[in-house]
Amino acid sequence: DAKTTQPPSMDCAEGRAANLPCNHSTISGNEYVYWYRQIHSQGPQYIIHGLKNNETNEMASLIITEDRKSSTLILPHATLRDTAVYYCIVRALTNAGGTSYGKLTFGQGTILTVHP
Amino acid sequence: EAQVTQNPRYLITVTGKKLTVTCSQNMNHEYMSWYRQDPGLGLRQIYYSMNVEVTDKGDVPEGYKVSRKEKRNFPLILESPSPNQTSLYFCASSFSSGRILTDTQYFGPGTRLTVL
Repeated sequence: DAKTTQPPSMDCAEGRAANLPCNHSTISGNEYVYWYRQIHSQGPQYIIHGLKNNETNEMASLIITEDRKSSTLILPHATLRDTAVYYCIVRALTNAGGTSYGKLTFGQGTILTVHP
Repeated sequence: EAQVTQNPRYLITVTGKKLTVTCSQNMNHEYMSWYRQDPGLGLRQIYYSMNVEVTDKGDVPEGYKVSRKEKRNFPLILESPSPNQTSLYFCASSFSSGRILTDTQYFGPGTRLTVL
């Protein structure tokens, strides 16, 4: 899996957009970018993923640069409940039998604090 | 509602007293796994299961057992718990298409275990 680099912490005002960056300069052509978050001591929560194109769902948008070396997760209208650790994970789809099959590796992530 | 449930959510026990943490998912996912989360160490995979009756070790399987007799359930068994198994445990499940696994994993709410 490609290595990712995220800022350790960020702040955002409630109601504003939160833009969380992730660098993954060694990403391979078959690797996806996944975003998860973990609200304090709760189970990690899948947010969104993408390969090349920008993606949007009900939770967030994912913007991937053309060279795919970095991406940005956008929470369009952050709320206090979005305060969490956000993890950017880069990995390819895995085949059964591979040593990394289904094994997500969560790095340090970005602690996002949304304040009133 | 699609979900992964775990029971109990909190457990305090003593060294050597066998215990089982249950995990159940209602999404008909083939893949299920167990992680433990410790401060400074992130999430580490304990065991995983590709389907009924198919299980394999993750990164930290020592002291744990699992079984997968039904598709929806994946219990974690500690035959003789020790204090170094005090941790926050998460169960996760994911859909697989044939032998290819998607990494949109759904996590349970967690079980906080203390072994005295």
